[in-house]
Amino acid sequence: QVQLVQSGAEVKKPGSSVKVSCRASGGTFNSFVIHWVRQAPGQGLEWMGRIFPMLVLADYAQKFQGRVTFTADEATKTAYMELSSLRSEDTGVYYCASRDAAEELVGPFDYWGQGTLVTVSS
Amino acid sequence: EIVLTQSPGTLSLSPGERATLSCRASQSVSNYLAWYQQRPGQAPRLLIYGASNRAPGIPDRFGGSGSGTDFTLTISRLEPEDFAVYYCQQYGGSPVTFGQGTKLEIK
Repeated sequence: QVQLVQSGAEVKKPGSSVKVSCRASGGTFNSFVIHWVRQAPGQGLEWMGRIFPMLVLADYAQKFQGRVTFTADEATKTAYMELSSLRSEDTGVYYCASRDAAEELVGPFDYWGQGTLVTVSS
Repeated sequence: EIVLTQSPGTLSLSPGERATLSCRASQSVSNYLAWYQQRPGQAPRLLIYGASNRAPGIPDRFGGSGSGTDFTLTISRLEPEDFAVYYCQQYGGSPVTFGQGTKLEIK
């Protein structure tokens, strides 16, 4: 069984950056696809993009391109999402989600982290 | 970008009743359609994938149907723990997109 454990809540100033981690246990990290999803307060789910560690390939939603970077460390089975130039509208819960992409690159989000609340406030 | 429109926005029902939730895509997604349940303060949970396949551990009162552009999630007999927000998602294309959600509330 795969478990994803995310880093703790963050409070950031406008214009700064935040880096959220997502550590996997179980499964074969190298064959995962890791997605990042944002949920603003009281709102729905918004896909930010994904990273395929085995392909060293990241795919970003247009809305976030240029401001977000996904990385992955196979040695520690940890994925990271860094979002820069933060503004108040970036406040929300950030989730990582994953599935084993060894047999098929596309698929639903089988496993979810617990979420990380990022608050952007001056 | 494929837009998913869910209806209704809110559904008020009683335990034991049947719930029918809809999701319509702006263009065909084949069967690359999933449904998630999100309870307050929790991460989403995968219920249905491939439009009609239940994820492991999901009770058989949850069922999915449809293909192309029109999809339905049915909960045959509502249990108290089923009152939550439900999202559809298409994952066949990039960007991955979600519907805006249907809130299932107790009547």
